Amino acid sequence: QSALTQPASVSGSPGQSITISCTGTSSDVGGYNFVSWYQQHSGQAPKLMIYDVSNRPSGVSNRFSGSKSGNSASLTISGLQAEDEADYFCSSFTNRRTYVFGTGTKVTVL
Amino acid sequence: EVQLVQSGAEVKKPGESLTISCKASGYGFTNFWVGWVRQMPGKGLEWMGLIALRDSETFYRPTFQGQVTISADRSISTAYLHWSSLQASDTAVYYCLTAVDGLFYFDFCGQGTLVTVSS
Repeated sequence: QSALTQPASVSGSPGQSITISCTGTSSDVGGYNFVSWYQQHSGQAPKLMIYDVSNRPSGVSNRFSGSKSGNSASLTISGLQAEDEADYFCSSFTNRRTYVFGTGTKVTVL
Repeated sequence: EVQLVQSGAEVKKPGESLTISCKASGYGFTNFWVGWVRQMPGKGLEWMGLIALRDSETFYRPTFQGQVTISADRSISTAYLHWSSLQASDTAVYYCLTAVDGLFYFDFCGQGTLVTVSS
């Protein structure tokens, strides 16, 4: 199974909203509502931001939201802040009972 | 609070074997899955495989099947990632993550273990 497809980079100004896409297949994203999103700041461990497509863990800002349509999922960051600058990875459960990550997106706050 | 503590950085030569560990504290470890993730230098995250602590049922992504072995000892709340013969291309940071059995997201992550393989 190939990695899920994400744009390499997305940028926005403080206060703006950005959306990161994550495209898979019917064997992963399209087949299950088990898409997660992770944030990774440089040199740090990944942090769960969204689970089960659109749920936020306790402590994660409500500026982060997720959705899914067909074989694609999306992460939206509203009210962009400097601290949001990081790499973001989607992840999906697959029909092989494992998981697959996306290719990763570097978010830059201008 | 849940904590996952991974073993320290390793420097190995090609052909050597290695086992790294991931120890959980702060909760009972029995009804969890532990996943291992590779991050090669300057690259993205890659799922390697996962293990169910209740019965050691294990699943590997095809790329890693036969290349590594995932195991666990639930009596000491520890999961392991083992290589029998390292290659230079195994140089990476390895993370362990946990998911509650029956749920499909990994909400806790270890600090990472840097493995360097060089002659």
